[in-house]
Amino acid sequence: GENVEQHPSTLSVQEGDSAVIKCTYSDSASNYFPWYKQELGKRPQLIIDIRSNVGEKKDQRIAVTLNKTAKHFSLHITETQPEDSAVYFCAASSNNAGNMLTFGGGTRLMVKP
Amino acid sequence: KAGVTQTPRYLIKTRGQQVTLSCSPISGHRSVSWYQQTPGQGLQFLFEYFSETQRNKGNFPGRFSGRQFSNSRSEMNVSTLELGDSALYLCASSLGLAATDTQYFGPGTRLTVL
Repeated sequence: GENVEQHPSTLSVQEGDSAVIKCTYSDSASNYFPWYKQELGKRPQLIIDIRSNVGEKKDQRIAVTLNKTAKHFSLHITETQPEDSAVYFCAASSNNAGNMLTFGGGTRLMVKP
Repeated sequence: KAGVTQTPRYLIKTRGQQVTLSCSPISGHRSVSWYQQTPGQGLQFLFEYFSETQRNKGNFPGRFSGRQFSNSRSEMNVSTLELGDSALYLCASSLGLAATDTQYFGPGTRLTVL
């Protein structure tokens, strides 16, 4: 089955700096890669996603890149703000497995004011 | 549209008991998936339902079961509870079964097994 690895597990940055979180996946059939943000005590919320036919996607301060050949994808957050502090999860799914998401282990991002 | 709702939000049970958790998807969504979230294991897929049928199952023992009703609401059941079942149980709904169908999560049910 699919295996998703996520690095780093914790990341501390100064407000205004950029943050990058990286994930690798094992199943070449995976074709959808969402990123979720989970604040303490809250539900995971989708912040951005990318499909396998796209190499990069941006939404304001957030961007995701995908390298299908290397089987890795990354989340980039620019101009970080204290409210970006949360746990971020990458995930992957493939048409072979319906709607099932395989998640990475999560990255705790701390943005220091 | 109202989001995904889950009841109850918190549960405390003792070992050996059983528990039923409920999930109401976003209106119009026909797929419901369940995930277990623990500090040690992260987010792990339990099972997925679509049109009242289990379409996919994760690597959990048979003590974990679920079902889906004709209105797409779903329940999951855990029998003979063990201490290790303490976790946040999240359900997520999506329009359909395609891998690219975005999943929206509920607030979760926090289960504590004593």
